[in-house]
Amino acid sequence: NAGVTQTPKFQVLKTGQSMTLQCAQDMNHNSMYWYRQDPGMGLRLIYYSASEGTTDKGEVPNGYNVSRLNKREFSLRLESAAPSQTSVYFCASSEVRTETQYFGPGTRLLVL
Amino acid sequence: GNSVTQMEGPVTLSEEAFLTINCTYTATGYPSLFWYVQYPGEGLQLLLKATKADDKGSNKGFEATYRKETTSFHLEKGSVQVSDSAVYFCALRDTGFQKLVFGTGTRLLVSP
Repeated sequence: NAGVTQTPKFQVLKTGQSMTLQCAQDMNHNSMYWYRQDPGMGLRLIYYSASEGTTDKGEVPNGYNVSRLNKREFSLRLESAAPSQTSVYFCASSEVRTETQYFGPGTRLLVL
Repeated sequence: GNSVTQMEGPVTLSEEAFLTINCTYTATGYPSLFWYVQYPGEGLQLLLKATKADDKGSNKGFEATYRKETTSFHLEKGSVQVSDSAVYFCALRDTGFQKLVFGTGTRLLVSP
C-alpha cells in the first residue's frame, strides 16, 4: 500500500499561471481533503470531499477549485496563482468509522 | 466556532527530559481529540487520539488525557529521545462532521 500520494513534490509558478495538484489514495477511503500549511497558522482546510461525487468548501477555498475524479483521486486546481498561495499543500483521506486522517507527503508551492 | 490552542514553540529539551505540550480547545458538544506528529519533510501522522471525556490516548510512550472540565488534551512523555524531534499538532473533530480543526503546531527539539 502506497497510502496517500501527491504530485508534484515541488513547484515554482509565476503569478497568473495555473496548475493542478494531484492526489491519490489506495485505502478505499470515502473522504478526502486538501489542506494548506503556513508558518504560525497550522493546517487550514481548503476543500473536502465526503464521498465520491461530492465536494464542499473548507475554511480557505478562495482561489482554488477541486475535482473528485473517482474514489481514489482528488485534485486541487489553482486557476491563476498568486504569491499568497505560496504554501505547503497536503492531501489527506479518511474513513468515517475510524476518524483517523492519513496524510500525503505534501507539495511545496512557490508563487513568484 | 471550534478552535484549538497550543503552546508556542519551539520546545527545547535534552534527551531523557520530561515533555509536556499544552493543548486546550473550544467546542460545542463532545469532540474527538487528536495529536498528530510531523517529522521533517513528511506529512502528518496520527500519534494518539481520545474520543470521550477521561479517555487516555497513548502511543510510543506519549500520553494525553481528555479533560472535559478543563477543555484540555495535554501531550506528555516521560523521557524524550532525539528521534522525537518533530512538530506536534493538536486537533479536534466535530461531532457528526469529518473535518479536523488543527492548532498551530509546536516544534520540539531534543538534543543529545
